[in-house]
This record gives sequence, structure tokens and C-alpha cells, in this order.
Amino acid sequence: DAGVIQSPRHEVTEMGQEVTLRCKPISGHDYLFWYRQTMMRGLELLIYFNNNVPIDDSGMPEDRFSAKMPNASFSTLKIQPSEPRDSAVYFCASSLGQPQETQYFGPGTRLLVL
Amino acid sequence: AQSVAQPEDQVNVAEGNPLTVKCTYSVSGNPYLFWYVQYPNRGLQFLLKYITGDNLVKGSYGFEAEFNKSQTSFHLKKPSALVSDSALYFCAVRDKGGRRALTFGSGTRLQVQP
Repeated sequence: DAGVIQSPRHEVTEMGQEVTLRCKPISGHDYLFWYRQTMMRGLELLIYFNNNVPIDDSGMPEDRFSAKMPNASFSTLKIQPSEPRDSAVYFCASSLGQPQETQYFGPGTRLLVL
Repeated sequence: AQSVAQPEDQVNVAEGNPLTVKCTYSVSGNPYLFWYVQYPNRGLQFLLKYITGDNLVKGSYGFEAEFNKSQTSFHLKKPSALVSDSALYFCAVRDKGGRRALTFGSGTRLQVQP
């Protein structure tokens, strides 16, 4: 099994530019999660999907952030326009449908906004 | 609301000695509890989880954790530390009846000295 795949692994962009992060969950997983990791705030949930439908987006910082899951094997997290405070590591995770199931994390995308 | 506390930013232990990384949690209902490990520039790797039943949970790489309901704790332990165990460790909780996203602690850096 390939695990959760994220791309790109590293992204450097300038303030004001659009950034798109991509995630391919583990095949057969019903849930997909986007988390962000920063020194100041630690690991925090941004949004999660169940069967491609957004369930909880209360962690999305503001309207500059948007996430989609057009099918069971692909999700995007978009930041437009990007700001320096968006610099962080963004993780995607997926899990099976039962409540006790483990979330498996991708390697993350390290974003630096200059 | 649910929360996790990892009271130690860093734990230092000599190779071969036992290690403990502390975690306490707060949820409104019954918890699912998880430990993850993060190596530099890597994603989070699942170590072990508590769902129900036996309070002592065994996981990967010789780690184990003890669930203590009265103390609301889930400390991570290993009888004999290895230098390769040096990493960042995260405790996470989810309410069995609540949303699927994990709430993470702030992380504890484990440093094992040769």
C-alpha cells in the first residue's frame, strides 16, 4: 500500500500568490482530514470529509482557504491569496469509516510564503 | 470541548533506560486515545491506540501505553530506550461520540543519549 500521498512536498511562494496542495488518500478510506502544523499552534484540524462531503470546516482560518474533494481518491487545499502567516506544514490524513479507526498521515507539504 | 496536555516539552533518557512520556486528556464522553511519532521532516506515524478493554496497550517498536480512567491519563512507555527512539511524540484524543477529527497535544521531544 502506497499510503497517503501529498504533493508538492515543499512549496515556496510569494505573498499574494495562489497555492494548491494535493492529497491522495489510502484507497478504500472513507474519511479525509487536512491538518496544519505550526510552532505556535501545534497540530490543528482545518477540515475533514466523509465520502467526499465536507463535514467540519470550522478549523479553516478564513475565506482565503478552500478545500475540495471531487472524488474518493483526490483532495485539494487551496490558499488564495497566500500570506506569510500561512507558512506551515500541511498534513493530509485518511481513515476507514468506523469511529475507532486510525488516521494515517501523509508526509506533509512544507509551505513557505515570502 | 476536548483537550490533551503533554506537560513535558522534552524528555531526556539514557539508552537502555526505561522511558515515559506523559499525556492527560479531557473529553466529555469516553475517549479513543492515540500516540503518534514524528521524525524530522516526516509525517506522523501511528504507534498505538486505546479503544476499549485492557488498559495496557502494546504498539509498534516496543512501545506501550497505559490508560488510566480515574487519572485521565495515557502515558507512553518503553522498557529500554534506543537512540533511534529520539523523535517528537504526540498524544491525541477523540470523543467516541464526537467528531472524527483528532485533538493533539503540543508534543514531547524525546532525546535518548548514547
